[in-house]
Amino acid sequence: SQKIEQNSEALNIQEGKTATLTCNYTNYSPAYLQWYRQDPGRGPVFLLLIRENEKEKRKERLKVTFDTTLKQSLFHITASQPADSATYLCGSGGYQKVTFGIGTKLQVIP
Amino acid sequence: EPEVTQTPSHQVTQMGQEVILRCVPISNHLYFYWYRQILGQKVEFLVSFYNNEISEKSEIFDDQFSVERPDGSNFTLKIRSTKLEDSAMYFCASSETGGAYGNTIYFGEGSWLTVV
Repeated sequence: SQKIEQNSEALNIQEGKTATLTCNYTNYSPAYLQWYRQDPGRGPVFLLLIRENEKEKRKERLKVTFDTTLKQSLFHITASQPADSATYLCGSGGYQKVTFGIGTKLQVIP
Repeated sequence: EPEVTQTPSHQVTQMGQEVILRCVPISNHLYFYWYRQILGQKVEFLVSFYNNEISEKSEIFDDQFSVERPDGSNFTLKIRSTKLEDSAMYFCASSETGGAYGNTIYFGEGSWLTVV
């Protein structure tokens, strides 16, 4: 079955810098990958979806890439702000269910 | 903006008791889901529901679990005889579409279940 691997260690960066989070998948290439934001005690909030045949997707300060050779997606937040501090989940999509990684906690330091 | 709403936000129950968690999905969505997250762990898929029947379920979703859409708006998760290891945050979610090319899933804020 598909496994999604994210660095479970927290990522601390300075405000204004670009945060880059990594998501690796095992086995087959999923049809798409999704990125969600989760704040403590709250439900995941959808951010971006990228399909297998797309190399890159952008939305405001967010950018996602999908590299099927490396079996990896990178999630970038440019000009990071303290309000971006949260856990970011990567999920692979199947027909209906999404398989999530553990998430990477991002802390943006003012 | 439309949202998925869940009740209760927090429930404490005795081991062996039945629990029903309730959800109102986004109104024009056709696919409904339950996920759970044990403290400090991944968000895990439990079940998906479409056209009034279960379309996919995980190995976690055993005979102790059931789902129902009793009317046009509510979607419920029942746990028949709760165990300590059922303690988790349960998220209801819905999506407009399903399918292999992407289904953006909208999650509720969760129901935190504590089994004592």
